[in-house]
Amino acid sequence: DTAVSQTPKYLVTQMGNDKSIKCEQNLGHDTMYWYKQDSKKFLKIMFSYNNKELIINETVPNRFSPKSPDKAHLNLHINSLELGDSAVYFCASSQRGWTEAFFGQGTRLTVV
Amino acid sequence: TQLLEQSPQFLSIQEGENLTVYCNSSSVFSSLQWYRQEPGEGPVLLVTVVTGGEVKKLKRLTFQFGDARKDSSLHITAAQPGDTGLYLCAGRDGSARQLTFGSGTQLTVLP
Repeated sequence: DTAVSQTPKYLVTQMGNDKSIKCEQNLGHDTMYWYKQDSKKFLKIMFSYNNKELIINETVPNRFSPKSPDKAHLNLHINSLELGDSAVYFCASSQRGWTEAFFGQGTRLTVV
Repeated sequence: TQLLEQSPQFLSIQEGENLTVYCNSSSVFSSLQWYRQEPGEGPVLLVTVVTGGEVKKLKRLTFQFGDARKDSSLHITAAQPGDTGLYLCAGRDGSARQLTFGSGTQLTVLP
């Protein structure tokens, strides 16, 4: 059983399109995140949710909108995709904001 | 947001060699974690250190947290090709509700 699963694993789309990435965790954790990993492998937090409530929203274009229907799910919707959005997006969860983070396999987004 | 600098950024060594990766910050952390990320996968936790001066061993890997809790190191003895991966440190300061990740060290161990 995968602890943190995100879909799709690969996503290739054209500029201007809207796309969503889904994430689910079965660990019973209270906190979920979205991270972006760029081509230099730098992992930067985008959003953090605790029990469906947004607690961290780093400087991210408002084209990115997270949605948490329940504490086991955190989806990421991206509007009007741009070339610079190409990256690997990781969903993660943890019991608290600073405890061990469990990561999904990542979604490699390529905008062409 | 605090900065965690890792060095070296890239490291390529032969199987059997020893190596050390460093994670440095100007800020104090209440705890620090090390993760390893393999290609096509998400990072996986290796260890958490919480006390200044703490040393933890995980088989051939030795992790140390600096006395002042501003830096950490990861030493690998007799590296093997299976150690290849991206090593990330991540720290939490006393007030932050999140982890801040370091810049990463890409390690390649050649057979």
